[in-house]
Amino acid sequence: GESVGLHLPTLSVQEGDNSIINCAYSNSASDYFIWYKQESGKGPQFIIDIRSNMDKRQGQRVTVLLNKTVKHLSLQIAATQPGDSAVYFCAESRGYNKLIFGAGTRLAVHP
Amino acid sequence: DTAVSQTPKYLVTQMGNDKSIKCEQNLGHDTMYWYKQDSKKFLKIMFSYNNKELIINETVPNRFSPKSPDKAHLNLHINSLELGDSAVYFCASSQELAGEDQYFGPGTRLLVL
Repeated sequence: GESVGLHLPTLSVQEGDNSIINCAYSNSASDYFIWYKQESGKGPQFIIDIRSNMDKRQGQRVTVLLNKTVKHLSLQIAATQPGDSAVYFCAESRGYNKLIFGAGTRLAVHP
Repeated sequence: DTAVSQTPKYLVTQMGNDKSIKCEQNLGHDTMYWYKQDSKKFLKIMFSYNNKELIINETVPNRFSPKSPDKAHLNLHINSLELGDSAVYFCASSQELAGEDQYFGPGTRLLVL
């Protein structure tokens, strides 16, 4: 197994609860934002995206909120399940599809 | 079917050696990328190619040389490996150059001894 990511901020939730993962982005010119999920030993996997002309977007059990005033992005996961346990990254896009990733948050779901 | 594949999955080598990591995507995408993920899970872009043309080069040491023989492949060659090169390297692809999510490969875990 991997021994990386031990210093990541961790959000611990009970199975069935809602989870909210927050992210602050740095560039007010960024116009596209993505949330990725990374399970242990795997590559990041797309969850949901949002463009800067929107402030909310919903998917299946997930919602992304964008607050451009304070450069804040959040990911809400409804009815969190054990399979949601992973590291979650926000990413902002600044032209030429150059993604700048946030530091990541580890979500731990307890039964 | 694997969308973005990388080989090898694990690579253990001595300092000073030269090694290559291969990436292939079968999604028909025009743009491919290399990322480095360090021990703190921080993901940083290294290179991107669009239709075999270099678009992004993030001040990576010139010991790292990407090569794109065609738009479905983007390989990464590393010369004179250093201890600090130890990381997980991810390849990714996207359909277009901007405003699109990227599909990541499973990663190559490089350990330099």
